[in-house]
Amino acid sequence: GDSVTQMEGPVTLSEEAFLTINCTYTATGYPSLFWYVQYPGEGLQLLLKATKADDKGSNKGFEATYRKETTSFHLEKGSVQVSDSAVYFCAFGRNRDDKIIFGKGTRLHILP
Amino acid sequence: GAVVSQHPSWVICKSGTSVKIECRSLDFQATTMFWYRQFPKQSLMLMATSNEGSKATYEQGVEKDKFLINHASLTLSTLTVTSAHPEDSSFYICSARVLSEGPNNEQFFGPGTRLTVL
Repeated sequence: GDSVTQMEGPVTLSEEAFLTINCTYTATGYPSLFWYVQYPGEGLQLLLKATKADDKGSNKGFEATYRKETTSFHLEKGSVQVSDSAVYFCAFGRNRDDKIIFGKGTRLHILP
Repeated sequence: GAVVSQHPSWVICKSGTSVKIECRSLDFQATTMFWYRQFPKQSLMLMATSNEGSKATYEQGVEKDKFLINHASLTLSTLTVTSAHPEDSSFYICSARVLSEGPNNEQFFGPGTRLTVL
């Protein structure tokens, strides 16, 4: 069935380190792919998205590329900051009913 | 643009009482709103899909008589937790989908409502 698998956290990095959070999905067709971020005590915010194969979504220094051949949408950032500490959710929009299927989330801690 | 608000942001109530949570799309029309529940350190669980002017569609395992959803207009949906019990304590999040032609998966999320039932 439809699902999203993302790396388990928590992930702890030092400031200015390189970040990768892996995400793979199982879905029929070619869904839209999303990364959402949830800062402490807040609701979800869309971080970036990609709607077709080979698209690269980017925002706030974060990037993710829609890889159809590997059904992946890994999140990367070249130099993380303490303010990036949050929970990151990988998700896709299911075409047949427009529902969003979320991964379990990855908690990121950035140490100063 | 595409701002979704929720009210209240947090609520504490006694067991057995009912609590209403509002979800509003502030600057766009939303034909469809979604209600999610999030347990600590877990992902969002879709509870129901709410379409303006029609009955909500509930996910398997969600009690429709327990969680009443009303989508009265293109900018407002409400979730009422009836006869709340401590196990209903959770973070409830709504989202809204922009009215547009053609397929559009993107949803915009409200800030959430934390419900604590004593």
